[in-house]
Amino acid sequence: AQSVTQPDIHITVSEGASLELRCNYSYGATPYLFWYVQSPGQGLQLLLKYFSGDTLVQGIKGFEAEFKRSQSSFNLRKPSVHWSDAAEYFCAVVGGSSNTGKLIFGQGTTLQVKP
Amino acid sequence: ETGVTQSPTHLIKTRGQQVTLRCSSQSGHNTVSWYQQALGQGPQFIFQYYREEENGRGNFPPRFSGLQFPNYSSELNVNALELDDSALYLCASSAPGQGLSYNEQFFGPGTRLTVL
Repeated sequence: AQSVTQPDIHITVSEGASLELRCNYSYGATPYLFWYVQSPGQGLQLLLKYFSGDTLVQGIKGFEAEFKRSQSSFNLRKPSVHWSDAAEYFCAVVGGSSNTGKLIFGQGTTLQVKP
Repeated sequence: ETGVTQSPTHLIKTRGQQVTLRCSSQSGHNTVSWYQQALGQGPQFIFQYYREEENGRGNFPPRFSGLQFPNYSSELNVNALELDDSALYLCASSAPGQGLSYNEQFFGPGTRLTVL
């Protein structure tokens, strides 16, 4: 069965520092992978997605992620974190038949940004 | 363009009661998915509706049921509420297929359900 693991439940970085959030997936075929962000009281906003092609994908708000099939990973990165990036981040994979749209999410990583 | 909206924002119920949550999909979207997000967890897929028919279901008991209406809005109904049903319920809508086998889901802000 497909699954997503986010090993870091909570991460604290200083404003201006670089960020990497880890995501590992379990999926037999080429996965459709996503990163979402959730601010308090808000729904999920899509940061970026990987379907195929270039393994380094660019997203909104200066985020990028790299798909590494050999490591079953899809880590999210940002070179310089802003205080407004403090939020909950979720990695997700499309489970089952891709056209049912069932998303399987990781547990999430809470990002705290120190001034 | 109006995004996905959900009502109510918050809801408090007691064990054994029934609840109905509502979702209006984004304009032009005909598919609605529901997710349950317990505190400190990632969202879990409940089910999806496409053109008023259930199109996939997650590991949730039958007391979780849904409807989709001709205007593609949707309801999530939960009977015989249990304490563990306390969660944020998220609705997501997506557009008809346009050559891609997967269509991006746009999420609403959610309904926070508390069961006492």
